Amino acid sequence: EPEVTQTPSHQVTQMGQEVILRCVPISNHLYFYWYRQILGQKVEFLVSFYNNEISEKSEIFDDQFSVERPDGSNFTLKIRSTKLEDSAMYFCASKLDQYNEQFFGPGTRLTVL
Amino acid sequence: DQQVKQNSPSLSVQEGRISILNCDYTNSMFDYFLWYKKYPAEGPTFLISISSIKDKNEDGRFTVFLNKSAKHLSLHIVPSQPGDSAVYFCAASAKNYGQNFVFGPGTRLSVLP
Repeated sequence: EPEVTQTPSHQVTQMGQEVILRCVPISNHLYFYWYRQILGQKVEFLVSFYNNEISEKSEIFDDQFSVERPDGSNFTLKIRSTKLEDSAMYFCASKLDQYNEQFFGPGTRLTVL
Repeated sequence: DQQVKQNSPSLSVQEGRISILNCDYTNSMFDYFLWYKKYPAEGPTFLISISSIKDKNEDGRFTVFLNKSAKHLSLHIVPSQPGDSAVYFCAASAKNYGQNFVFGPGTRLSVLP
């Protein structure tokens, strides 16, 4: 069964460093998402991506964040200068079309020290 | 601003009995709802969905009920099994808002053998 994959499973970084979180969505899916879940809190929407551009982003997704689909298979989230409060689980999701549910990856745990 | 609420942070049920998880929303523009199940260290897994044109959707042991006038939905699991023990998230989206999901805070279900 096709699935969304994410690497790495755990990333530890120093405050101020750049991180890139990687996702491989399900191959024929067209819509891509990033969510995050801070420990003990709810899952929060960050950004959606369709047709090679951002379709929507939340207040959390400020200038420190960017997304890219560099090669037609990977979907990446970059945080330019990490802050302590960026520590969270980051989930990538994809869906086939606007009528279907999103499929989530297993998440990347980001720890900012 | 909690647009999607799950007022019970946890629920314990005996194996074989019915589990009822509740979700309330405030945004009347929401027209599509999903339930996700999440095990520790994994991403959310889609369980069942319902669109606002229906008031009930059933899939095996899982039934979702939607009461639009009350802005309330519930997930029924019958019979509950120990493997159902997980955190259940209610999520809502609106076509006009790009279909990005707003998640509730989750309810931790424990099914006791």
